[in-house]
Amino acid sequence: DGGITQSPKYLFRKEGQNVTLSCEQNLNHDAMYWYRQDPGQGLRLIYYSQIVNDFQKGDIAEGYSVSREKKESFPLTVTSAQKNPTAFYLCASNPDRGAGYTFGSGTRLTVV
Amino acid sequence: AQSVTQPDIHITVSEGASLELRCNYSYGATPYLFWYVQSPGQGLQLLLKYFSGDTLVQGIKGFEAEFKRSQSSFNLRKPSVHWSDAAEYFCAVGNNAGNMLTFGGGTRLMVKP
Repeated sequence: DGGITQSPKYLFRKEGQNVTLSCEQNLNHDAMYWYRQDPGQGLRLIYYSQIVNDFQKGDIAEGYSVSREKKESFPLTVTSAQKNPTAFYLCASNPDRGAGYTFGSGTRLTVV
Repeated sequence: AQSVTQPDIHITVSEGASLELRCNYSYGATPYLFWYVQSPGQGLQLLLKYFSGDTLVQGIKGFEAEFKRSQSSFNLRKPSVHWSDAAEYFCAVGNNAGNMLTFGGGTRLMVKP
């Protein structure tokens, strides 16, 4: 079945470390997105990519980086510059206008 | 710029009762509108969407939503709530290219037995 796979489901990071969250899709969607979700704050856009080798900053890009070398993959790196990285991270993809996003099941990142 | 407001942060209903979750949007043209549901620790699942045509749209799990242009609203309804409907619900508005969604803050639904 087609879908979006996020891994790992749970991730623990020590302060000062960079970590990379994986997002893979086999839906042949062009656009992919990363959101951060904190309790009571809804979804906030970190980065998005409409096409391979191109990506744009969202509303809260500071302390994060991404790459889009393949259509299927859109990994997110949480760098040591992100001061409060503990959150639930969601990856999504979009086939075309009006279809709506398909979401992965998320990665919960905790700084220890 | 597009925006979405979900006025109710929490709603509690009794099982079997009807449900209406409110969503108000701001967008200059005819918007793409969506409702998503999220169970704890999970991703978001699309319930239904609207762009044009009949203003009453049917979705999965027995949900429906009505687009009211005059009120800039897209409220979600269900005639009889089941305990399994307890979750968080997000309304979203899309731009005219349909490729950038803005989400509301969400409404957490609790269902009393």
